Amino acid sequence: AQTVTQSQPEMSVQEAETVTLSCTYDTSESDYYLFWYKQPPSRQMILVIRQEAYKQQNATENRFSVNFQKAAKSFSLKISDSQLGDAAMYFCAYRSAQGGSEKLVFGKGTKLTVNP
Amino acid sequence: DTGVSQNPRHKITKRGQNVTFRCDPISEHNRLYWYRQTLGQGPEFLTYFQNEAQLEKSRLLSDRFSAERPKGSFSTLEIQRTEQGDSAMYLCASSLRPLAGVADTQYFGPGTRLTVL
Repeated sequence: AQTVTQSQPEMSVQEAETVTLSCTYDTSESDYYLFWYKQPPSRQMILVIRQEAYKQQNATENRFSVNFQKAAKSFSLKISDSQLGDAAMYFCAYRSAQGGSEKLVFGKGTKLTVNP
Repeated sequence: DTGVSQNPRHKITKRGQNVTFRCDPISEHNRLYWYRQTLGQGPEFLTYFQNEAQLEKSRLLSDRFSAERPKGSFSTLEIQRTEQGDSAMYLCASSLRPLAGVADTQYFGPGTRLTVL
């Protein structure tokens, strides 16, 4: 079974600075997808960024980028120019691409605080 | 608003009672998922529908839990004989079956928070 580990329960960053959230995963599969979701307080979860494992190029979405290291099974999220609205729980998630299971497997999350 | 909606948003019940939650997915989405999220944890997968067919169920989905999606549109999740351990946020998500090699995006609803007294 696949597992996702987020080793940082909490992180903080100053407004306008850069922060990196860590995620590692365990799988025996070669083809899969990875995601970062954001869950603001009392609001619904939204997708931040996703990465297909067969793509070597790291995904980027505006201020959000990932560092995908397939051999190390690492998938970190970098948030540049942090804004107050970035404060939220961030979840890393894994999904198989080899047929069968469509479920997302989530880590326990990292609570990000943005200080003004 | 055309996102995923869930009702009720909050439910308080006594142990042993039955509860039912409803999820309305984004209208053109043919896939629907249920997850459970307890405090301090990430969401855990419960079950998944493609159209009206329930294609995957987690071991977490005990025989007290049942989910339906009768016409391939909205879905209901029923918990019978609730226990205190069922207290959690129940999240629904929907997606559109993608082209091969592309990950579909699961869009989440706001959740139903269940408290079992």
